[in-house]
Amino acid sequence: SQWGEENLQALSIQEGEDVTMNCSYKTYTTVVHWYRQDSGRGPALIILIRSNEREKRSGRLRATLDTSSQSSSLSITAAQCEDTAVYFCATDPLLSGSFNKLTFGAGTRLAVCP
Amino acid sequence: EAAVTQSPRNKVAVTGGKVTLSCNQTNNHNNMYWYRQDTGHGLRLIHYSYGAGSTEKGDIPDGYKASRPSQENFSLILELATPSQTSVYFCASGDALGGRGQDTQYFGPGTRLLVL
Repeated sequence: SQWGEENLQALSIQEGEDVTMNCSYKTYTTVVHWYRQDSGRGPALIILIRSNEREKRSGRLRATLDTSSQSSSLSITAAQCEDTAVYFCATDPLLSGSFNKLTFGAGTRLAVCP
Repeated sequence: EAAVTQSPRNKVAVTGGKVTLSCNQTNNHNNMYWYRQDTGHGLRLIHYSYGAGSTEKGDIPDGYKASRPSQENFSLILELATPSQTSVYFCASGDALGGRGQDTQYFGPGTRLLVL
């Protein structure tokens, strides 16, 4: 799983496999963002899940959120070579004095295909 | 699609020199952000802004200043660059139309800075 100052995690899978990446967060949040970063580019939002949703799907992506355990997961079904990227989770810690400040996890580097 | 551009894309600076990184967004977003990303780590927030004329300190503001002269432009300034500031810097703009905590951020392509 990823969070805070933890180092980047790495996963390597074959095309067609399913994969799940986990994220645990330290402070209360009402929403978890999942971003994807391709090599040499900035991150891009791929899915956002709110606390009242528990599960959100978008194409081959599935995000879950468990506020009681302060954890979220991102699953990719039937991974393809083009899913190779670094995936980050991010939350708004909703701290006093902050406004729409996202805190990013360290990320998971996913490699699909040789 | 949000459009955030950064300049320069690559920069080599000398220790003690002044470096200015520029960011422009064409989406009329109120919020803008500067992050740095070091190898093997996530993004860390340096400064952010709620609108023209405002700047706020992020989680790692030491050694950096920011300037937001207009809605579209947000600059990051290193007055006295040090080798520890070698990193990749990302600018982002965001809206919070979905409410608190739901600021979708749109990132620029990044600036790779090397301080010798």
